[in-house]
Amino acid sequence: KAGVTQTPRYLIKTRGQQVTLSCSPISGHRSVSWYQQTPGQGLQFLFEYFSETQRNKGNFPGRFSGRQFSNSRSEMNVSTLELGDSALYLCASSLVGTNEQYFGPGTRLTVT
Amino acid sequence: AQSVTQPDIHITVSEGASLELRCNYSYGATPYLFWYVQSPGQGLQLLLKYFSGDTLVQGIKGFEAEFKRSQSSFNLRKPSVHWSDAAEYFCAVAPYSGGGADGLTFGKGTHLIIQP
Repeated sequence: KAGVTQTPRYLIKTRGQQVTLSCSPISGHRSVSWYQQTPGQGLQFLFEYFSETQRNKGNFPGRFSGRQFSNSRSEMNVSTLELGDSALYLCASSLVGTNEQYFGPGTRLTVT
Repeated sequence: AQSVTQPDIHITVSEGASLELRCNYSYGATPYLFWYVQSPGQGLQLLLKYFSGDTLVQGIKGFEAEFKRSQSSFNLRKPSVHWSDAAEYFCAVAPYSGGGADGLTFGKGTHLIIQP
């Protein structure tokens, strides 16, 4: 069974721009979560989607948003990029009814 | 709110020696506990998990972890490490909601270095 896939793997953007990252979960997994990983703050939960609805959200500003499609694929968007948004963005998927999350390889975002 | 503490930022172990990585959590109810490993440039790989039942859980790659409720700990162990075990290790906790995925709360990680 294929794992969680994320595209693109690497991205360079300029301050003020916006970016969209994509995540395809493991087949059969309907819950998708997003995390930000930085050297200073570590791994932080952004939000979780199930059945096209955001069910949980971490402590991030409204510039960070996401959505989920009917095939469970998910996208996250960051608007008005700041230098501090440079990070590894990780997507994880899980089966309904479990917190056992499986992670993709991540998208490395660099904001210049 | 839940929290996870991994007291050791770096640990150096000789190849073939035993390993123990410490993890302490703070959570008011029954937690889900996890250990993940991250190699450079990679995502997180799930090593093992504890939900309930036997407090000693076995994982992949020869790892095991023991849940001790009285000490709020979930330490990771391996009897004999290999050079390929060099990586970053993360302990995580999630609420036992039972109803779906909740955000994992991670520790800051322990960087494992293997000496030849």
